[in-house]
Amino acid sequence: DAGVIQSPRHEVTEMGQEVTLRCKPISGHDYLFWYRQTMMRGLELLIYFNNNVPIDDSGMPEDRFSAKMPNASFSTLKIQPSEPRDSAVYFCASRPSRGPLTQYFGPGTRLLVL
Amino acid sequence: DQQVKQNSPSLSVQEGRISILNCDYTNSMFDYFLWYKKYPAEGPTFLISISSIKDKNEDGRFTVFLNKSAKHLSLHIVPSQPGDSAVYFCAASESGATNKLIFGTGTLLAVQP
Repeated sequence: DAGVIQSPRHEVTEMGQEVTLRCKPISGHDYLFWYRQTMMRGLELLIYFNNNVPIDDSGMPEDRFSAKMPNASFSTLKIQPSEPRDSAVYFCASRPSRGPLTQYFGPGTRLLVL
Repeated sequence: DQQVKQNSPSLSVQEGRISILNCDYTNSMFDYFLWYKKYPAEGPTFLISISSIKDKNEDGRFTVFLNKSAKHLSLHIVPSQPGDSAVYFCAASESGATNKLIFGTGTLLAVQP
């Protein structure tokens, strides 16, 4: 079975540019999560969806960040405009509605904003 | 304010010996705890979990212990293997917010052959 798929794996951009990160959750998983990992703050939950509906976006740092889930197999995290302090690894995770609370993580997107 | 703390950034053990990774938490409402392992350039992978109704859970070489009164949990790996070398994260959640995992900052385990 394919795991969570994220693209791109690496992104280098200049300050002020728009960045879009993509995620395909595991088929059949009803929950999707976006995390950010930095040296200073560790792994932080940004937002999560249930059945394509955003449930909790309290971790989204600023209005520059937005996330969408147009269907059950695709989600995007967009940063516009990007800033150097957004440089981090962004992870997407998913889990099914039933069963253990285990979240399954994708390989991450390493973002560098110059 | 870190609600989940892993005070040891790194740990080095010899192959075959026991590895003990520690995690402390401050939120008494946490009732579900997980350990994840992360290799470089990969996402975290689930290792083992424990509910607050238990004080021990075992899965092969991995055992998690929970001490609720001390708000402390630990992960024991016996025997340690070089392939266990990775960053280990503990995470916690509340029963009313099961999807909001709060992660510690991680401990880098190096198992020396």
